[in-house]
Amino acid sequence: DAGITQSPRHKVTETGTPVTLRCHQTENHRYMYWYRQDPGHGLRLIHYSYGVKDTDKGEVSDGYSVSRSKTEDFLLTLESATSSQTSVYFCAISDPARNRTDTQYFGPGTRLTVL
Amino acid sequence: GQQVMQIPQYQHVQEGEDFTTYCNSSTTLSNIQWYKQRPGGHPVFLIQLVKSGEVKKQKRLTFQFGEAKKNSSLHITATQTTDVGTYFCGGRVAAGNKLTFGGGTRVLVKP
Repeated sequence: DAGITQSPRHKVTETGTPVTLRCHQTENHRYMYWYRQDPGHGLRLIHYSYGVKDTDKGEVSDGYSVSRSKTEDFLLTLESATSSQTSVYFCAISDPARNRTDTQYFGPGTRLTVL
Repeated sequence: GQQVMQIPQYQHVQEGEDFTTYCNSSTTLSNIQWYKQRPGGHPVFLIQLVKSGEVKKQKRLTFQFGEAKKNSSLHITATQTTDVGTYFCGGRVAAGNKLTFGGGTRVLVKP
């Protein structure tokens, strides 16, 4: 598997609290993505980054912000967590310059529960 | 916006039988990728299809891209317990663009 780690792996928090999830890669891939996975909805893109300090919104970005100050780290922040943000969050990386098919490599996931 | 639908959402298969899962896009795709996620795991890349009508095989798995590049299918022959998991298709509208994933087909195998 590609060198991708996510932290924390599990988190339980209360409604209204801020939460930050971290994705760290050792592959020097250009693109990084945050997805959420919910039953019946598959993988939905929250935000993605195409370089340091370069980010863009995905299809379900409301309530989330991201930052990428270094190539290897992509942070996802829930400013004020809500129960609807209970989900499994996956980070992914890709780099079409390194991989002709622009494969996405996924991290192990973070299970977030908002009470 | 672009939508990708997968059917069926669940597939119960008797071990040894064949099955097919389908992926349909609301827009013409540049390419489509398939991923497999084992229970409790993360999605893992299986294959990419680029050309209209393309067919690729990986052992017992056959992947097909439709002529109009708006749909794709995954056919598994002689299902085994190792095939258990959720299969996702992800479509790209333009090369280098982000993937839009379908909802996945969760495959359960009865021994």
